[in-house]
Amino acid sequence: QQPVQSPQAVILREGEDAVINCSSSKALYSVHWYRQKHGEAPVFLMILLKGGEQKGHEKISASFNEKKQQSSLYLTASQLSYSGTYFCGTQRSGTYKYIFGTGTRLKVLA
Amino acid sequence: NAGVTQTPKFQVLKTGQSMTLQCAQDMNHEYMSWYRQDPGMGLRLIHYSVGAGITDQGEVPNGYNVSRSTTEDFPLRLLSAAPSQTSVYFCASSPGANYGYTFGSGTRLTVV
Repeated sequence: QQPVQSPQAVILREGEDAVINCSSSKALYSVHWYRQKHGEAPVFLMILLKGGEQKGHEKISASFNEKKQQSSLYLTASQLSYSGTYFCGTQRSGTYKYIFGTGTRLKVLA
Repeated sequence: NAGVTQTPKFQVLKTGQSMTLQCAQDMNHEYMSWYRQDPGMGLRLIHYSVGAGITDQGEVPNGYNVSRSTTEDFPLRLLSAAPSQTSVYFCASSPGANYGYTFGSGTRLTVV
């Protein structure tokens, strides 16, 4: 069962902020975030392990709420290069399966 | 250092034909996975492996076989191609559970 991401799509102006959410019905060991540009392969952004830690990558950061099995990706002061589809990837506790979320299409306008 | 290499990049098959999608990585990664990506469906896990000789099924394994005889290679076999298998296939690898995945550039497969 795929993790559910919200929103499905978002349009921003350069400099605006966005939050993308990922929610799973299963207990998670880790959450990863990826960005995929049109016609390209997904690119790894960051990983969050159990423990609620928050990580940062340039102006992109994320958090993981282990109790709620939810993760959020925060994009601040968005740039044109942030456009693409964002996927969360999840590994359930006790398994090696790595399942991706439904995806969020993000478009940043000048 | 080539990363994850997938061949071929494009392939057209007739219904009922079989073929093997190749995936090789030169990073000594233990974990390898195959995904298919269809419009509006995101990435769905077909098969995965956590080391040479160890494979398991993902979310959508029917119609596909895999084997992992070496750490480097993880081929995906389509047994009897069907139009429903038209998709973009990605192979990905990772050093282990606490690390992200590196993706190959993908194989675009069309079954007619």
